[in-house]
Amino acid sequence: AQTVTQSQPEMSVQEAETVTLSCTYDTSESDYYLFWYKQPPSRQMILVIRQEAYKQQNATENRFSVNFQKAAKSFSLKISDSQLGDAAMYFCAYRSGKTSGSRLTFGEGTQLTVNP
Amino acid sequence: NAGVTQTPKFQVLKTGQSMTLQCAQDMNHEYMSWYRQDPGMGLRLIHYSVGAGITDQGEVPNGYNVSRSTTEDFPLRLLSAAPSQTSVYFCASSYSRVRGAFFGQGTRLTVV
Repeated sequence: AQTVTQSQPEMSVQEAETVTLSCTYDTSESDYYLFWYKQPPSRQMILVIRQEAYKQQNATENRFSVNFQKAAKSFSLKISDSQLGDAAMYFCAYRSGKTSGSRLTFGEGTQLTVNP
Repeated sequence: NAGVTQTPKFQVLKTGQSMTLQCAQDMNHEYMSWYRQDPGMGLRLIHYSVGAGITDQGEVPNGYNVSRSTTEDFPLRLLSAAPSQTSVYFCASSYSRVRGAFFGQGTRLTVV
């Protein structure tokens, strides 16, 4: 079974600075997808960024980028120019490329605080 | 666009009561899932469905039932509520592994 680990329960960053959230995963599969979700106080789960394992290029979405290290099974999220609205719980998630359905395996989450 | 709609948003149950959490999506997605979120544990999969009439168990299925009679609806039934089922419940749908999942707003359930 796949597992996802986020070793930082809490992180903080100053507004306009850069922060990196860590995520590691364990799998024996070669075909899979990785995601970062944001959960603000409203509780809504929002997809931030995704990465296909077969792609070597790191995904980027505006101020959000990932550092995908397939051999190390690491998938960190970098937030540049942090804004107050980035404050939220962030979850890393894994999805197998083999199994059907929408089954995601989540990490424990990292609570990000943005200080003005 | 409604997306994924969950009802109710909040619910308090007494131990032993039963109830159904409703989930509906209007995006014609094949895949639907139920997760529960507990502090320090992320989201864990309860049940999932790959299409109408097809359901299967996830990581923590005990105490919950599901059915999928239509593409749009995927209700979650608590048979006999227990305090251990106090949690936030999320319904999700997707049409592609690549695109990730769309989530409902969540239901905060308290069992006393």
